[in-house]
Amino acid sequence: GQSLEQPSEVTAVEGAIVQINCTYQTSGFYGLSWYQQHDGGAPTFLSYNALDGLEETGRFSSFLSRSDSYGYLLLQELQMKDSASYFCAVNMDSNYQLIWGAGTKLIIKP
Amino acid sequence: KAGVTQTPRYLIKTRGQQVTLSCSPISGHRSVSWYQQTPGQGLQFLFEYFSETQRNKGNFPGRFSGRQFSNSRSEMNVSTLELGDSALYLCASSYGTGGWDSPLHFGNGTRLTVT
Repeated sequence: GQSLEQPSEVTAVEGAIVQINCTYQTSGFYGLSWYQQHDGGAPTFLSYNALDGLEETGRFSSFLSRSDSYGYLLLQELQMKDSASYFCAVNMDSNYQLIWGAGTKLIIKP
Repeated sequence: KAGVTQTPRYLIKTRGQQVTLSCSPISGHRSVSWYQQTPGQGLQFLFEYFSETQRNKGNFPGRFSGRQFSNSRSEMNVSTLELGDSALYLCASSYGTGGWDSPLHFGNGTRLTVT
């Protein structure tokens, strides 16, 4: 079956750096996406990796290793507003069938 | 540009009833996907429509169905509701077929409670 594994919860301190890992086992792979969802809100797109390597967008970076079926989201200079759930999702094919991880709740302490 | 609009926001139904949820995508977006979200389960893919055609369907029973209209608006129907159908149902639209240049844009969802 298809599966994505990510930690259920991560705690970090304001101003610090945190890494959220995602490992996947899927029958197809086009790319790995990351979404952020605040409590009561809609998921919002953060980043997408189709090729190996690091993609940087401001304070957020995302990494992919296709050979290891592994990726991570790196959040720097954490702010209280970054407290949210973060989901990784795999594009399995060209028709946008996404398989999602169960989400990682990021708790930020002052 | 207006975002993805889902109606209603909240719905309470009784077991055995049926329900229809509506989604209006961002103008110009032709792909609409539906997801079920329950606590601790992430997002479960229901189906995806592109130009009125269902291109993909997730692993849900036939009680879950959907359609897309010529203006890209989409509806999702659940018949013979069960208690386990209680969830947040999210609709997402995108311009193309996926990838970095066409990420999903989600609505705020319809929270369905089945009693």
